[in-house]
Amino acid sequence: AQRVTQPEKLLSVFKGAPVELKCNYSYSGSPELFWYVQYSRQRLQLLLRHISRESIKGFTADLNKGETSFHLKKPFAQEEDSAMYYCALSTGGGNKLTFGTGTQLKVEL
Amino acid sequence: GAVVSQHPSWVICKSGTSVKIECRSLDFQATTMFWYRQFPKQSLMLMATSNEGSKATYEQGVEKDKFLINHASLTLSTLTVTSAHPEDSSFYICSARGGYGSGNEQYFGPGTRLTVT
Repeated sequence: AQRVTQPEKLLSVFKGAPVELKCNYSYSGSPELFWYVQYSRQRLQLLLRHISRESIKGFTADLNKGETSFHLKKPFAQEEDSAMYYCALSTGGGNKLTFGTGTQLKVEL
Repeated sequence: GAVVSQHPSWVICKSGTSVKIECRSLDFQATTMFWYRQFPKQSLMLMATSNEGSKATYEQGVEKDKFLINHASLTLSTLTVTSAHPEDSSFYICSARGGYGSGNEQYFGPGTRLTVT
């Protein structure tokens, strides 16, 4: 069965510091990975997906099949990055999503 | 962008009663809608997948007779929690996905907080 692991419940960094939110997955098929973000009092929204290979709000994530990882990175954290981040794995023809437990990112001044 | 609404945003009901939650795609046709459940400080757990005009597919461990899902149109899906009990208290979130060509991205609703007393 598929699984997504986010080892850190809370990550606190200072403004301007680099950020890395870890995500590991287990899935026997070909994975499609996503990062979703939830800002305070807002709904869940897509941040980026690995197939797009794009940078959104300065965030990037590279799929490493050898390490089964999809870590989210940003070189310089901003205060507005403070939010809950969920890593998700899409499986099956119906594109069902399996979510990790989430990491709360707190960017301090 | 694509918007998904949920109604109500919160509801309190007595044990034994039924509660209906609506999920609507406001500006696109959603061929597939998903229902999730989220407990405090925990992740989203997929409950079921519903395709317009067909029966919902439930995840293992989810009682289909307790959580009735109807996806009668391309813009509306409903989740009815029947004979609710306090352990059904949770945050219920729906998402909607358009058809082929829409990128298959899921758009999430704001969630519905259900409290069963």
